[in-house]
Amino acid sequence: ETGVTQSPTHLIKTRGQQVTLRCSSQSGHNTVSWYQQALGQGPQFIFQYYREEENGRGNFPPRFSGLQFPNYSSELNVNALELDDSALYLCASSLLAGGPGADTQYFGPGTRLTVL
Amino acid sequence: QKEVEQDPGPLSVPEGAIVSLNCTYSNSAFQYFMWYRQYSRKGPELLMYTYSSGNKEDGRFTAQVDKSSKYISLFIRDSQPSDSATYLCAMTLQGAQKLVFGQGTRLTINP
Repeated sequence: ETGVTQSPTHLIKTRGQQVTLRCSSQSGHNTVSWYQQALGQGPQFIFQYYREEENGRGNFPPRFSGLQFPNYSSELNVNALELDDSALYLCASSLLAGGPGADTQYFGPGTRLTVL
Repeated sequence: QKEVEQDPGPLSVPEGAIVSLNCTYSNSAFQYFMWYRQYSRKGPELLMYTYSSGNKEDGRFTAQVDKSSKYISLFIRDSQPSDSATYLCAMTLQGAQKLVFGQGTRLTINP
């Protein structure tokens, strides 16, 4: 177990709706990254938060947004859901952002989102 | 062209076989290379982490990096049914945290 938890486990929404996914990072980790993993694909980087500020973003539209809170929890919000948003959403926490070396990212179990 | 290419398989081998998993990449700026294992309905779990070209061994697992060829490999010796999972290669730039993943190879070890 990595100590990273996510909720809910599964979620079903309809096109056009909004969704909020939650992550609780490993204690002491000040960086959280979110990834989208479509079926049969590797995870794709959405964005990263470091000390409650966005610290890098992948090729995802603005309707994907996030928040990080001081208590090591974070949220991924997706507005105007599309069918292609159906995927496993993973959060990963780490201790440091940037620096001279890559830091180990610990992944949660993911939230499986289905958009109908 | 994807930055990281990985044969999705599926790959099926008998128990005890040596397994070789591979990835190629196009961005020569990648400095850190990782292998993750992902069981069904679980998040990725870090298996191996390497920085420089060469080999790194951890128990039954050996990670190999050839930066000149932009090619990385993971070898599993004495494979076990519990090794059945999807294996993801990932890499990142120095000082960056964004992981770039391959597609993942689905591996089955048959008893």
